[in-house]
Amino acid sequence: QVQLVESGGGVVQPGRSLRLSCATSGFAFRSYAMHWVRQAPGKGLDWVALISFDGDKTYYADSVKGRFTVSRDSSKNILYLQMNSLRTDDTAVYYCARSVLGFSTHPDYWGRGSLVTVSS
Amino acid sequence: QLVLTQPPSASASLGASVKLTCTLSSGHSTYAIAWHQQQPDKGPRYLMKVNSDGSHDKGDGIPDRFSGSSSGAERYLTISSLQSEDEADYYCQTWATGIRVFGGGTKLTVL
Repeated sequence: QVQLVESGGGVVQPGRSLRLSCATSGFAFRSYAMHWVRQAPGKGLDWVALISFDGDKTYYADSVKGRFTVSRDSSKNILYLQMNSLRTDDTAVYYCARSVLGFSTHPDYWGRGSLVTVSS
Repeated sequence: QLVLTQPPSASASLGASVKLTCTLSSGHSTYAIAWHQQQPDKGPRYLMKVNSDGSHDKGDGIPDRFSGSSSGAERYLTISSLQSEDEADYYCQTWATGIRVFGGGTKLTVL
C-alpha cells in the first residue's frame, strides 16, 4: 500500500535551516509529482511546494519562495524540503503528499506529518 | 485572484445527510476542485475530485456515502447516512499554473 513517512522536524531558532524528508513506498515514486503542504497549529491547510515527477519543474507558495527548496531522489524514493531562513510563522506540521497520476493538480495520498517549531 | 470560500462550520445529526459548500472566486467558476477530509489529530485524506459539470472521481476506498456535485461557482460534498467518524474538518482545494489553493475548511459536527 502507498506509504509516505515524513521525518526531520524539530525545534529550530529563527533564521536557521532544517531539512525534511519524506520516505515513500508502495508506488512508482518516479512517476508521480509530489507536494508539500503545511498546517500551523489550529489553522487550515496551506500549500507550500510542488515538484514534477521528473524533478524538472518546481513551484512554491509566495510565502516560502526563495527560502525553501523542494527536491527528490528517485533512486531512494525520497522527497525533500530544504527550509532556510526559517521564521516563527513557518511553525507548522508539514505533510508530504502524492499527486494524482499524470497530473500535479491535487494530492491523492498524504503522510502523517512532521512538526517544525521555529522559536528562540 | 483564485480563492476558495468555505463556511467555517456545519452540523447534522447521526444518520442524516449534510451538504458542504465550497465557492470559487469570481472568474474561476469552471475550475475543478478536490475535497480532503481531516479527522482529529490525523493527516488529511483525499476524498474526490469534483468537476464543473458535477462529475466526480473518488479516491481509493471512499464509501458510496460520499458524493460530489456542482452548480455555477459552487462545488459540493454530500455525506449521507452520517456516522460519528465523519466528524472532521473538510477542505476543498483547487489549482492553476504554478499555484495550489486550499479553502479555509469546514468543521463538521455530527450531533
